[in-house]
Amino acid sequence: KAGVTQTPRYLIKTRGQQVTLSCSPISGHRSVSWYQQTPGQGLQFLFEYFSETQRNKGNFPGRFSGRQFSNSRSEMNVSTLELGDSALYLCASRRLAGERGETQYFGPGTRLLVL
Amino acid sequence: ELKVEQNPLFLSMQEGKNYTIYCNYSTTSDRLYWYRQDPGKSLESLFVLLSNGAVKQEGRLMASLDTKARLSTLHITAAVHDLSATYFCAVDWSGSRLTFGEGTQLTVNP
Repeated sequence: KAGVTQTPRYLIKTRGQQVTLSCSPISGHRSVSWYQQTPGQGLQFLFEYFSETQRNKGNFPGRFSGRQFSNSRSEMNVSTLELGDSALYLCASRRLAGERGETQYFGPGTRLLVL
Repeated sequence: ELKVEQNPLFLSMQEGKNYTIYCNYSTTSDRLYWYRQDPGKSLESLFVLLSNGAVKQEGRLMASLDTKARLSTLHITAAVHDLSATYFCAVDWSGSRLTFGEGTQLTVNP
């Protein structure tokens, strides 16, 4: 069974630009979550999507947005990039949302560098 | 606001020794996860703990959960070099999002 895939794996952008990251969950998984990992702030929750609806959102500015498609694939977008947005962005999927014991399976991540 | 604290944050140990990583959290929850991350890699699920007193073991790692104390432990028995990695605990308190600890960077020396 294929795991969670993320594209691209590496990205370099400049301040002010925008970026779109893509995540394909494990087949049959309908919930997709996004996390940001930085050395200073650690792992922080961005948002979760289930059945094309955003279920929960973390404490990030509106520049961070996402969406989910009918095939459960998800994208996240960051507009007007800032240097502090440099991070590893991790996508995680699980079969359902809100179920006890549902492990979130993480993808390899997209490493974004903002110059 | 839920806070999850791990200690120690850095752990250097010799092969063959035992040690415990502690994970304290601030809000009642009975869903706790342990993940492992190798340098430059993603997160690998290790354990899911869902009830007070839950204990899970896999190889040289054993995790436990005490929901009354809001404490989980990850015990390492007879460490080997392959266990060198960063270990994260994460609490699911809303059924929707994980709040992670800072991570414990473990180095096992020969």
